[in-house]
Amino acid sequence: DTAVSQTPKYLVTQMGNDKSIKCEQNLGHDTMYWYKQDSKKFLKIMFSYNNKELIINETVPNRFSPKSPDKAHLNLHINSLELGDSAVYFCASSQELLLAGSYNEQFFGPGTRLTVL
Amino acid sequence: TQLLEQSPQFLSIQEGENLTVYCNSSSVFSSLQWYRQEPGEGPVLLVTVVTGGEVKKLKRLTFQFGDARKDSSLHITAAQPGDTGLYLCAGEDTNAGKSTFGDGTTLTVKP
Repeated sequence: DTAVSQTPKYLVTQMGNDKSIKCEQNLGHDTMYWYKQDSKKFLKIMFSYNNKELIINETVPNRFSPKSPDKAHLNLHINSLELGDSAVYFCASSQELLLAGSYNEQFFGPGTRLTVL
Repeated sequence: TQLLEQSPQFLSIQEGENLTVYCNSSSVFSSLQWYRQEPGEGPVLLVTVVTGGEVKKLKRLTFQFGDARKDSSLHITAAQPGDTGLYLCAGEDTNAGKSTFGDGTTLTVKP
């Protein structure tokens, strides 16, 4: 059973298009994340959600709009795709928010490689 | 902005050799994690260190958290080809409620 799944695995599209990436976790976790990994393998957080509520938005352009229909799903919609959006996007989940006195294990999906031409 | 710098960025060694990867920051973290990522997959957690000076061992891997909780090291003894991958450190900041990842160390172990 896949704990955190993402679709599609690969996405190739033209500049200016709108696309979505879906993420689902079957771990019963409360918190989900989107990360972007660039060509230099640098992994940077974009968003986090807790029980369907937006917690972190790391100054991501508003062309990126996450949506959480329930706490097991966090989808990412991207409008007007640009060349610089090409990267691998990872969805992740953790049991709960990172709170004082705690630490979290994040479970990552397999990633979606987005190529914008 | 919290930054985590890893060194070296790339490491290619022969099977059986020992190696150490470093993760340094000017920021203090409440805990620090090490992840390993294989090509085409997401990172997988190896260990979390919480207390300054803490040392944890996972088979041939030894992880240490700096006394001031600003840096960490990962030492691998007698590296195996199966250790090949991207190693990422991640500092957890409970004030910000998020983890900041290092820039990664790509390890290649040749048979």
